[in-house]
Amino acid sequence: LAKTTQPISMDSYEGQEVNITCSHNNIATNDYITWYQQFPSQGPRFIIQGYKTKVTNEVASLFIPADRKSSTLSLPRVSLSDTAVYYCLVGGDSNYQLIWGAGTKLIIKP
Amino acid sequence: SQTIHQWPATLVQPVGSPLSLECTVEGTSNPNLYWYRQAAGRGLQLLFYSVGIGQISSEVPQNLSASRPQDRQFILSSKKLLLSDSGFYLCAWSVRSSYNEQFFGPGTRLTVL
Repeated sequence: LAKTTQPISMDSYEGQEVNITCSHNNIATNDYITWYQQFPSQGPRFIIQGYKTKVTNEVASLFIPADRKSSTLSLPRVSLSDTAVYYCLVGGDSNYQLIWGAGTKLIIKP
Repeated sequence: SQTIHQWPATLVQPVGSPLSLECTVEGTSNPNLYWYRQAAGRGLQLLFYSVGIGQISSEVPQNLSASRPQDRQFILSSKKLLLSDSGFYLCAWSVRSSYNEQFFGPGTRLTVL
């Protein structure tokens, strides 16, 4: 099973680009990488998912190198409302092979 | 559109009392269903998942149990709560073929005293 490792916390400022990296050295061939955002007292919300290279949507980009042993969530021009906990999730073949990261608490300062 | 409901939103229970949390999903059929627990300031712990009615898989042995009496209904139960059962309980669903993209409910905040 792929174990995931994320930084516990990060700080940044409004308007900056923020990159959060997740390490998953033992990722399996069939595993996808998914990122979620969670605000206090709410359930996590899906942000973006990818398998390899780069994926971009309206809120974020996901960069996955060729060896897929890590992934980087990129949030462009963050605002105060991006303060949240961000989780990476690795898996995809079945329910019991889903591995959640411990989460990165991102604090955006004015 | 799909909607997921959980109730109650908050619950305070004494140690040793029973527990029943309910989750229902609307707008989809044959979903995978999940129960998670989140201790204060901690990450997500998968407790149970279900791929169909009556089919429950447990990830962590404990005094909790789950049932799926209907396709879009998932219930988390306990006969006797422990102090360590306190936490934020989240229900989630995914389409049958996609396990990574999960949609979470609003959660239930359980405090065991």
